[in-house]
Amino acid sequence: GAVVSQHPSRVICKSGTSVKIECRSLDFQATTMFWYRQFPKKSLMLMATSNEGSKATYEQGVEKDKFLINHASLTLSTLTVTSAHPEDSSFYICSAGTSGRAWNEQFFGPGTRLTVL
Amino acid sequence: AQKITQTQPGMFVQEKEAVTLDCTYDTSDQSYGLFWYKQPSSGEMIFLIYQGSYDEQNATEGRYSLNFQKARKSANLVISASQLGDSAMYFCAMRERASNTGKLIFGQGTTLQVKP
Repeated sequence: GAVVSQHPSRVICKSGTSVKIECRSLDFQATTMFWYRQFPKKSLMLMATSNEGSKATYEQGVEKDKFLINHASLTLSTLTVTSAHPEDSSFYICSAGTSGRAWNEQFFGPGTRLTVL
Repeated sequence: AQKITQTQPGMFVQEKEAVTLDCTYDTSDQSYGLFWYKQPSSGEMIFLIYQGSYDEQNATEGRYSLNFQKARKSANLVISASQLGDSAMYFCAMRERASNTGKLIFGQGTTLQVKP
């Protein structure tokens, strides 16, 4: 199956700093990428949908100025948590699909665990 | 609005036994897809099985089968011959065809523990 990587896998930062998380599709071109947030033992909550070359579509209640998403190429999307605070600590997961396969399957990255002190 | 419901927060099963994880959904769309994912403690989401709304036969993938009852809007996952490695959190998810973004809606998840 297709491979999606995320970097870093784990990050600890101080309150007030910004953190960038990268999501890459390694062996296919992803026209659409999705960013999810997950709290311990809870479900995945979709934060935003990003399409290559256009602005991301954010879900209701997600602050677009807080969570900046860039999808500059068909293999890379980034999520930047700006001025992070302890309540932003969470597990962030990206997934990627292609125009021909997105209907049938999304490919998930391994996730990034963010801890804000 | 579409919705996915998993009513079992936690389940136990004896090794080598079969277990059914429940999932019900609600959608007004006629064309949709249903998915099951496994999430072990490492956090990665592992795709298990897919069922399309127009598929006449229940999907099967190795030890996984999906009991699709369209009229009841249920898509239960059956794991046969449980193994210790099956211990994980399991998520049911749905994608509506009408959603051009292709986004998935997830259920609350069920934590499965396999006892030796």
